[in-house]
Amino acid sequence: DIVMTQSPDSLAVSLGERATINCKSSQSVLYSSNNKNYLAWYQQKPGQPPKLLIYWASTRESGVPDRFSGSGSGTDFTLTISSLQAEDVAVYFCQQYYSTAFTFGPGTKVDIK
Amino acid sequence: QLQLQESGPGLVKPSETLSLTCTVSGGSISSSSYYWGWIRQPPGKGLEWVATIYYSGSTYYSPSLKSRVTMSIDTSKNQFSLKLSSVTAADTAVYYCARHIDYYYYYMDVWGKGTTVTVSS
Repeated sequence: DIVMTQSPDSLAVSLGERATINCKSSQSVLYSSNNKNYLAWYQQKPGQPPKLLIYWASTRESGVPDRFSGSGSGTDFTLTISSLQAEDVAVYFCQQYYSTAFTFGPGTKVDIK
Repeated sequence: QLQLQESGPGLVKPSETLSLTCTVSGGSISSSSYYWGWIRQPPGKGLEWVATIYYSGSTYYSPSLKSRVTMSIDTSKNQFSLKLSSVTAADTAVYYCARHIDYYYYYMDVWGKGTTVTVSS
């Protein structure tokens, strides 16, 4: 199985400031034949299901605010919230779908400082 | 707008079989572009893939749960179902149904609200 790790476990950021979440895979999720990274990001607010934010590591899902962006390649990825809003308080998960047994990271909790 | 709704018992006894159904509304479960899956989340923990099915009936199971899981699909009712046998307390979780894009292991763009299943005598 591809093991996903995330850092930090939690972070607190002031409103309007940048939040950065890291995700690392135990092996590369970059498929060389199409040069795509098989990596997605989800946001989960308390009591709600996960919501897809980013796929193919950097493609924003329709309707997701442009303050959310994804970057990285191979084994190291980043989700950036450029200007944190109150409604962004949530847990964020990365997911690899390179392997048919897809797996999630443990999550990073984002709070307001 | 596509919606998914989970249903089933909230309490299951140890060693019995957990049965859940996901009803899809606002779209057809028979679309060739999508797969339909179950993801679970134990209390206070992360997300774990359980199983996925295609409208044709092809099934894909998590290796760690494969021996206990069965999925089925009823295209006439726009529903798909999950059965997990020989449950233990470790199977206590919120169970979500979700839609996969393109392939059974790809990302999920639509999720149900989830249903809590507790395994206890």
